Amino acid sequence: EAQVTQNPRYLITVTGKKLTVTCSQNMNHEYMSWYRQDPGLGLRQIYYSMNVEVTDKGDVPEGYKVSRKEKRNFPLILESPSPNQTSLYFCASSAGGGGAYEQYFGPGTRLTVT
Amino acid sequence: GESVGLHLPTLSVQEGDNSIINCAYSNSASDYFIWYKQESGKGPQFIIDIRSNMDKRQGQRVTVLLNKTVKHLSLQIAATQPGDSAVYFCAVNPGLYGGSQGNLIFGKGTKLSVKP
Repeated sequence: EAQVTQNPRYLITVTGKKLTVTCSQNMNHEYMSWYRQDPGLGLRQIYYSMNVEVTDKGDVPEGYKVSRKEKRNFPLILESPSPNQTSLYFCASSAGGGGAYEQYFGPGTRLTVT
Repeated sequence: GESVGLHLPTLSVQEGDNSIINCAYSNSASDYFIWYKQESGKGPQFIIDIRSNMDKRQGQRVTVLLNKTVKHLSLQIAATQPGDSAVYFCAVNPGLYGGSQGNLIFGKGTKLSVKP
């Protein structure tokens, strides 16, 4: 089954404790992206990757890091999480050369930073 | 840069009626537009897309209309059903000249409620 998987689905952590949210897709998609979703603000793009070893900032990249060493994986790293990073995070992927194609979203990761 | 706005945060319709959800964007260079549906507890799901060289596209029970003159996008759902209840987002790709091809700007969403 074609899908985007994220782990963990729920995470509660404390300020400053480094964490990684994994994202994997099995569709051989070139493009992958991370979003955060907050009430009243909708979905905002954090980082995206057009292909392996190619990453770029979205609209809200501060406090996040990403890497794309393999085509299927695109982990999101919070080196020193803060409470304002409490949010619902979605990973997405699409075929082709960028965001200009249908994106498939993962189920989401709900992160709480205390 | 691009910004995407929505006309109504909520919309309530009677089952069987048609629904129209509207979206406005700011950058005339934007070249790709998508509508997503998000059900409670799930990730967004693609509904339909349209490129800037078109002004209308139809899917199953859904139609997207693009008016580039006034930078307006709408999603029409025919014969709305209870299963259509969800939050609907429009998203805009600013394109090569409006930003980056990888960048996707989402509107804040319209919550559609369908009354039986």
